[in-house]
Amino acid sequence: GAGVSQSPSNKVTEKGKDVELRCDPISGHTALYWYRQSLGQGLEFLIYFQGNSAPDKSGLPSDRFSAERTGGSVSTLTIQRTQQEDSAVYLCASSFRASQYEQYFGPGTRLTVT
Amino acid sequence: SQQGEEDPQALSIQEGENATMNCSYKTSINNLQWYRQNSGRGLVHLILIRSNEREKHSGRLRVTLDTSKKSSSLLITASRAADTASYFCATVQTGANNLFFGTGTRLTVIP
Repeated sequence: GAGVSQSPSNKVTEKGKDVELRCDPISGHTALYWYRQSLGQGLEFLIYFQGNSAPDKSGLPSDRFSAERTGGSVSTLTIQRTQQEDSAVYLCASSFRASQYEQYFGPGTRLTVT
Repeated sequence: SQQGEEDPQALSIQEGENATMNCSYKTSINNLQWYRQNSGRGLVHLILIRSNEREKHSGRLRVTLDTSKKSSSLLITASRAADTASYFCATVQTGANNLFFGTGTRLTVIP
């Protein structure tokens, strides 16, 4: 079956603009995660959704970052008033449930803030 | 912040040799997962080992877990040029759901 898909694959934006990144998880996976990978910070967790439960937002670096998951499927990560330090590859992952299951990653969105 | 360290940071071997990568972590875990990454983009899942398991195999891959030492190793046998990639260990801490990643090992297999 289809894997996790993300769009766009690349995004260049000017400092101060808002961006939206999209993630389509594997069908039937109830858990969805956002991570980002940057040279300085490595791979770091951002936010986690499980079914209809309140999301775990503990990894979001600032209140400029938010995410939602509609209908238990597609998720959108929004970054407001982008800064140059937001430049990174944003990775989405999904798993059948949580904690005990493998997480499968999408190809990522490379965000460049100029 | 990252959970742990991987050792070595970089490894270069000849095709056909075995490659061993080590991962150390800091807290009690639910499970540990190994991933491969090519070209700095998507992560490919390799193996998940649970905290009550000590060893798992998948094809040419062998993973061990020592919870008393908070460490894991990934062995790739009979390496191929196509195994050239970065390899990451990631843990799910007890009581959590997200992955905490190590710093990664860059493996280069020379044909």
